[in-house]
Amino acid sequence: QSALTQPPSASGSPGQSVTISCTGTSSDVGGYNYVSWYQQHPGKVPKLMIYEVTKRPSGVPDRFSGSKSGNTASLTVSGLQAEDEADYYCTSFAGGYDMVFGGGTKLTVL
Amino acid sequence: QVQLVQSGAEVKMPGASVKVSCKASGYNFNAYTMKWVRQAPGQGLEWMGRINANNGGTFSAQKFQGRITMTRDTSISTDYLELNSLTSDDTAVYFCARDSGLGGSMDHWGQGTLVTVSS
Repeated sequence: QSALTQPPSASGSPGQSVTISCTGTSSDVGGYNYVSWYQQHPGKVPKLMIYEVTKRPSGVPDRFSGSKSGNTASLTVSGLQAEDEADYYCTSFAGGYDMVFGGGTKLTVL
Repeated sequence: QVQLVQSGAEVKMPGASVKVSCKASGYNFNAYTMKWVRQAPGQGLEWMGRINANNGGTFSAQKFQGRITMTRDTSISTDYLELNSLTSDDTAVYFCARDSGLGGSMDHWGQGTLVTVSS
């Protein structure tokens, strides 16, 4: 199972919006509405930000939103804040019991 | 509150095995599947496998098949990951993470266990 494709980096100024893409295939991202996004600050444990493509766990700000079109899922962070600077990873169900991660995107708040 | 507490750091020789534990508390352990994820230094997250809540069945990513064992001791609410035939490429932080049951997402994570493979 190949890793999902994410851009290595993304950036935006405070208050702006930034979108991170996550491209897979019809066997994973495109085949199921089971994409999740995780935020990881340096040296910290990953945190679930989005599940089932668009849903936010309680406590996650509504500045974070998810979407999907075809084989590409996206995470949008609106109203960027300094604390949003982190690495972001997407994952997708890939059939059976399998799953796959994206390579990660480093988000920089300028 | 949900807590996943992992065992401490390990240093292993190439060719050896390592066993990492993950003790759960604050929820019905028997009702949730556990997943294992690792992260090599400076690298991304990599899914390793899962142990199912309902029957203890396991499934691992293809690259680990044959040298990974995941087990569960329900009497002490603890999951275990064992990885054999270690090489320097296995140097990483190993995480256990609870499957929320919602689209395979992982809602609670252990603190991570650093495994260093070095001669």
